[in-house]
Amino acid sequence: NAGVMQNPRHLVRRRGQEARLRCSPMKGHSHVYWYRQLPEEGLKFMVYLQKENIIDESGMPKERFSAEFPKEGPSILRIQQVVRGDSAAYFCASSPLDGTVYGYTFGSGTRLTVV
Amino acid sequence: KQEVTQIPAALSVPEGENLVLNCSFTDSAIYNLQWFRQDPGKGLTSLLLIQSSQREQTSGRLNASLDKSSGRSTLYIAASQPGDSATYLCAVYNNNDMRFGAGTRLTVKP
Repeated sequence: NAGVMQNPRHLVRRRGQEARLRCSPMKGHSHVYWYRQLPEEGLKFMVYLQKENIIDESGMPKERFSAEFPKEGPSILRIQQVVRGDSAAYFCASSPLDGTVYGYTFGSGTRLTVV
Repeated sequence: KQEVTQIPAALSVPEGENLVLNCSFTDSAIYNLQWFRQDPGKGLTSLLLIQSSQREQTSGRLNASLDKSSGRSTLYIAASQPGDSATYLCAVYNNNDMRFGAGTRLTVKP
């Protein structure tokens, strides 16, 4: 079991470019969560998805950010027209059900640097 | 709105000491509480998961307790080792939402 796989591990983008972050959940997990960790800050919830559905996106900025979890393939967090303030570590977690019973398993994160 | 607080923010101890990390949360209507470890520049490793109906969980030198009614959890680390140096994060789950504390940065000196 490969665990939660995130790629790339590191991503550098110039201001105004697009960033695409990928997350493959653990085998058998159909619930995916994205978190952002700013330098020296805690993890902040962004979005909760199941296959082909966004369940809760209350933590996602209204503009430039979007997320999807298609029927086939990984979950994608997309940031358009990146700005320096988007520089952070983005973590994905997955669970077989919602988090009530099994908690979350996290990936190693993608560290986005905007230059 | 759930608020999770971890005290202390940083802790430095000599090797071999037993230590306690604290976590408190404002909304006791949680399904579970999870303790994670995060090494610098790395992801989160789950240490212990306590369901709301449980009082404690143990794994090796780690013991986590949960007092749901008072909104508190502790992580006890016995016989600390330099390899335990990391940031320890507490997270509580309710309403499709896992909320994290800011963490306790632990340094165990040889």
